Amino acid sequence: KQEVTQIPAALSVPEGENLVLNCSFTDSAIYNLQWFRQDPGKGLTSLLLIQSSQREQTSGRLNASLDKSSGRSTLYIAASQPGDSATYLCAVIKSNAGGTSYGKLTFGQGTILTVHP
Amino acid sequence: EAGVTQSPTHLIKTRGQQATLRCSPISGHTSVYWYQQALGLGLQFLLWYDEGEERNRGNFPPRFSGRQFPNYSSELNVNALELEDSALYLCASSLSGFSEQYFGPGTRLTVT
Repeated sequence: KQEVTQIPAALSVPEGENLVLNCSFTDSAIYNLQWFRQDPGKGLTSLLLIQSSQREQTSGRLNASLDKSSGRSTLYIAASQPGDSATYLCAVIKSNAGGTSYGKLTFGQGTILTVHP
Repeated sequence: EAGVTQSPTHLIKTRGQQATLRCSPISGHTSVYWYQQALGLGLQFLLWYDEGEERNRGNFPPRFSGRQFPNYSSELNVNALELEDSALYLCASSLSGFSEQYFGPGTRLTVT
């Protein structure tokens, strides 16, 4: 059974700091990995998707890396801003033996990020 | 381009009643997913529909069911509501089961 763990559970940083959020998964047979942010009481906003064959993806101040063999992904946020305050979730889609997707995302519990001015 | 839409925003029901939640995917997306986010339990996968067929189902009882219509919109039905069904229900869509999933704003279901 796929399990996804995110560390730390919560993080509070001053504005301008660079930070790293960690995600680990137990089953390396993944099809892809997505990072999301969720604002309180809202839906999820997709930040980055990394295919299993890729090592990293970048979007603006965000950079996500993937090491399938060790079951780890990191989300790097550069020059953090108060508007980055949210819960960050990573999720994986498992692939089956035939290489097709089960479709479902398995989520970690999230990292609650607070960036204070 | 319009995103994933869900209705209603909030739904209040009494234990034992039935609830129906609706989702419209992004235009061109054929896959629709349903997830439950209950307090303290994180996001749990409920159902995946693609091309009108149920493709995968999470570990939920049969009273959670749904369907996908020819226009790819979907509805989630929850029968015999229990207090622990109170949660945010999120719908997502994608081009296929392999693709990036985009989420709607959710329906907050409260069972009293």
